[in-house]
Amino acid sequence: GAVVSQHPSWVICKSGTSVKIECRSLDFQATTMFWYRQFPKQSLMLMATSNEGSKATYEQGVEKDKFLINHASLTLSTLTVTSAHPEDSSFYICSASVTVSNQPQHFGDGTRLSIL
Amino acid sequence: AQSVAQPEDQVNVAEGNPLTVKCTYSVSGNPYLFWYVQYPNRGLQFLLKYITGDNLVKGSYGFEAEFNKSQTSFHLKKPSALVSDSALYFCAVRDATGTALIFGKGTTLSVSS
Repeated sequence: GAVVSQHPSWVICKSGTSVKIECRSLDFQATTMFWYRQFPKQSLMLMATSNEGSKATYEQGVEKDKFLINHASLTLSTLTVTSAHPEDSSFYICSASVTVSNQPQHFGDGTRLSIL
Repeated sequence: AQSVAQPEDQVNVAEGNPLTVKCTYSVSGNPYLFWYVQYPNRGLQFLLKYITGDNLVKGSYGFEAEFNKSQTSFHLKKPSALVSDSALYFCAVRDATGTALIFGKGTTLSVSS
């Protein structure tokens, strides 16, 4: 099946640091990638949708200057949490999809971000 | 607006017994429905989907789901639960014009031996 690789799986860093998370589709070309945030024992909150070669579409309440998304190729999207603070600590999950609405999204294994 | 409801936070079942995890949805037009499973500190794994056709959909690991248009439901089922099925299960919906999935809040399935 389709494989999405997310890296790193775990990050611990000091407050004020910027952290980059990579999401790669390994065996298919992902025209669309999604970034989610998940709090403990809660559902996934869609943060933004990114299409290759264009600006990401952010959901209401998500700061685009805080969470920078780049989708430079059909196999790679990055999320950069800029000047991270403890309240940014969370589980971040990416997913990738071809632009056919009846196809499932394929998810990475997530990144656990802990800001001290 | 699209929405998904998973009315149960937790479902407990004994190993070997059948299990059902409930999901109802609201979407304009024809729905595309999905079930995913999440193990601790992992991403979501795709289990099955309903797009069109037969209302009973079979998926991975022996799971199946039944699409019921009149009740706007898409309950996940398995005839005989395993302890290893214990995980967090998400139902999701997308309409024919959409791209992003809308997820339910999730249901924790606990299978006891």
